[in-house]
Amino acid sequence: EVPVVESGGGLVQPGGSLRLSCAASGYTFSSYWMHWVRQVPGKGLVWVSRINTDGTVTNYADSVKGRFTISRDNAKSTLYLQMNSLTVEDTAVYYCGRDLGGREGYWGQGTLVTVSS
Amino acid sequence: DIVMTQSPLSLPVTPGEPASISCRSSQSLLHGRGNHFFDWYVQKQGQSPQLLIYWGFMRASGVPDRFSGSGSGTDFTLKISRVEAEDVGVYYCMQALQTPYTFGQGTKLEIK
Repeated sequence: EVPVVESGGGLVQPGGSLRLSCAASGYTFSSYWMHWVRQVPGKGLVWVSRINTDGTVTNYADSVKGRFTISRDNAKSTLYLQMNSLTVEDTAVYYCGRDLGGREGYWGQGTLVTVSS
Repeated sequence: DIVMTQSPLSLPVTPGEPASISCRSSQSLLHGRGNHFFDWYVQKQGQSPQLLIYWGFMRASGVPDRFSGSGSGTDFTLKISRVEAEDVGVYYCMQALQTPYTFGQGTKLEIK
């Protein structure tokens, strides 16, 4: 069983919106801080956002602050990333990450977001 | 932001030989609890990153013991005692002490 599976990526025009989801299974989702990290294909890793276990604390990279919103639904074991005002610079594979910096760090397989006209 | 600097960026290794990757942070990664919030990951071709080492020296579950992490403060090292063909990939260091979490540039390990 794969602990986290991302979905929701796709092609969107500049200025558009997209919501990514990350479905967790096989563990107690509500016990872990969760993250989003992105990677332009062929390039390095860039941390995007994190959320604490009950959703009351969120942090963002400056590049997405005010445009992206991270949230979670512990009843559904699902993490979200609402992305608004997208630009071509947001084109990347977006990974959902569990417990980054901890002993049970795990990354999903990622979902590709392409922002293009 | 904490800057993470890896070296080398390219690492050709003969199978069976050791390999070492260094990562330096622009400030100490020692947390008040006594741990260093520092990870090593490997990203194999077409895959997502996999955790190798957390807290600077603890091997993640299922990671072979030929991988070891060491270091403290701002200087950390990942060592592979005997490289195998399956170790090919890009190795990243990451700090998780403060947001934004930041990564090294990546070290591409290849087999000679």
